[in-house]
Amino acid sequence: NAGVTQTPKFRVLKTGQSMTLLCAQDMNHEYMYWYRQDPGMGLRLIHYSVGEGTTAKGEVPDGYNVSRLKKQNFLLGLESAAPSQTSVYFCASSYLFDGELFFGEGSRLTVL
Amino acid sequence: RKEVEQDPGPFNVPEGATVAFNCTYSNSASQSFFWYRQDCRKEPKLLMSVYSSGNEDGRFTAQLNRASQYISLLIRDSKLSDSATYLCVVTMNTGFQKLVFGTGTRLLVSP
Repeated sequence: NAGVTQTPKFRVLKTGQSMTLLCAQDMNHEYMYWYRQDPGMGLRLIHYSVGEGTTAKGEVPDGYNVSRLKKQNFLLGLESAAPSQTSVYFCASSYLFDGELFFGEGSRLTVL
Repeated sequence: RKEVEQDPGPFNVPEGATVAFNCTYSNSASQSFFWYRQDCRKEPKLLMSVYSSGNEDGRFTAQLNRASQYISLLIRDSKLSDSATYLCVVTMNTGFQKLVFGTGTRLLVSP
């Protein structure tokens, strides 16, 4: 019973490099989200999706892109990483918008 | 003013104590309220939803005060395993619906 799976769990990037974080859920949820968590800031929504083929901007979308080509997958891309993007990234999914959020284990990204 | 505010703590309590946290929210049109628990370096997990009439789950009681715009979480008979950060989550409509997380309240339960 996997739930929400994120890969990779850890990554170190140099400034300007690109990378993609993959989120996969096996609960057939319509809603999927990418958050970042920084000390003292709480969880902040980067982008979200309300269904396959849809994406929308959250609170802090700059510097990130997303795609939801398949219902079960939600990809977060960093085109040109910056040190300000050093953070812990959490993917989540839910059946309803204001229903229970199921989170992945997190991806720790460091940008040097 | 932050949309959702929590006292960061830490709250240091002995085992068996009763402890309460509050969370205030700024948008009077907020609709749904939740408490999540996050262990150190782990993902958040839903602890309980907060209903208008208040609700209880074992040692945990959640209450909503719409007039004063806050929710509360009461933990009775604290266990060592309750040590974690408790996140308040509020849904609100500011032109579009969104979920807003508080920064969390850290609880440390000691023997």
